Amino acid sequence: DIQMTQSPSSVSASVGDRVTITCRASQSISTWLAWYQQKPGKAPKLLIYAASTLQSGVPSRFSGSGSGTHFTLTISSLQPEDFATYYCQQSNGFPPTFGQGTRLEIK
Amino acid sequence: QVQLQESGPGLVNPSGTLSLTCAVSGASISSNDWWIWVRQPPGKGLEWIGEMFHGGTTNYNPSLESRVTISVDKSKNHFSLKLASVTAADTAMYYCARDFRDGYNTGFDYWGPGTLVTVSS
Repeated sequence: DIQMTQSPSSVSASVGDRVTITCRASQSISTWLAWYQQKPGKAPKLLIYAASTLQSGVPSRFSGSGSGTHFTLTISSLQPEDFATYYCQQSNGFPPTFGQGTRLEIK
Repeated sequence: QVQLQESGPGLVNPSGTLSLTCAVSGASISSNDWWIWVRQPPGKGLEWIGEMFHGGTTNYNPSLESRVTISVDKSKNHFSLKLASVTAADTAMYYCARDFRDGYNTGFDYWGPGTLVTVSS
């Protein structure tokens, strides 16, 4: 299986801050990467696919970049509703695998 | 609006079979999308269980393949998950979702709210 490693595992930030989460793949996955947001008690929500394509309806403060083994999710100006756990997920290798998650907390 | 809804027993005996159904509305299960199951143990991360295409093609996570069956009922526009020989390690929130595939693009874009299944006697 392709291992996906996210960093940091948790981060504290304030409303208005710029935050970047990193995801590394154990082997090249081209741009077969998606990002999800999950709030407590809720299902994950697709934010970005193909490493950098914003899913319909997702605010433009979210952006993704990267290819190969190194990817980032950036939130340009944190809003109160952005405090959640974020997961990366690869779909280049079988089976699809997720990162362990990054918990974004209010400072 | 595409909606998915999981249903099934919330409590399963050890060594028994977990059975869940995912009802799909707002989309045809016979579309060119794949339909998947994902699980999440309490307080932990996400694990892809398997996928199904309406023609009957299925793929399973090798870690679960010997115990998993995903099937479709086109007449009811729903698909199902069976996981045999369950243990406490199978206790998790189980989600069904749609995996859209469009050339080089793919993602799990619609999810059910999830259903918690506990394995315990």
